[in-house]
Amino acid sequence: AQSVAQPEDQVNVAEGNPLTVKCTYSVSGNPYLFWYVQYPNRGLQFLLKYITGDNLVKGSYGFEAEFNKSQTSFHLKKPSALVSDSALYFCAVRPRDNTDKLIFGTGTRLQVFP
Amino acid sequence: SQTIHQWPATLVQPVGSPLSLECTVEGTSNPNLYWYRQAAGRGLQLLFYSVGIGQISSEVPQNLSASRPQDRQFILSSKKLLLSDSGFYLCACRHLNTEAFFGQGTRLTVV
Repeated sequence: AQSVAQPEDQVNVAEGNPLTVKCTYSVSGNPYLFWYVQYPNRGLQFLLKYITGDNLVKGSYGFEAEFNKSQTSFHLKKPSALVSDSALYFCAVRPRDNTDKLIFGTGTRLQVFP
Repeated sequence: SQTIHQWPATLVQPVGSPLSLECTVEGTSNPNLYWYRQAAGRGLQLLFYSVGIGQISSEVPQNLSASRPQDRQFILSSKKLLLSDSGFYLCACRHLNTEAFFGQGTRLTVV
């Protein structure tokens, strides 16, 4: 079955330190890969995506993500965390087939401490 | 750019009552539309998706149904709500671009 795993329920990091939020997927072929962020009681906001090409993609608010095909991973990173980055982060994949499904991970809560 | 409208923002309904949540999209035509439910502020469960008028794919058998009467309108319904239907319901839209855009959600509490 197609799935997305975010192994950490919560990630804690001090402001100014680098952060990593992990994501691995189990989807056949070469899916499209996405990261979204959600603030309390709000919808999801798109951060970045991987379609093809360079394995390191850059997105909004200084976030970037690294695609690793052999490990089927797409970890979210930021060199220097801000307190305002504290939110719920979702990894998502869309298989390159005709089903048009968008499959989400369970989310990782990022807490950045001042 | 695409704009997604969801209403109402919050809703409290008694068990056994009907439900109708509406999602409309502006700024695009012939989009793919999705309904997700988020329970307890965590994972997103895909409920329904639609690639065109009258075309609905159901992901999880449950107490809900969806309809797409117009190109940019997607409705989530129930004839009789259960306590377990409580959650945060999100509508999403995708067209041409590969990423989906989300509405602001409806928080449903069944009492």
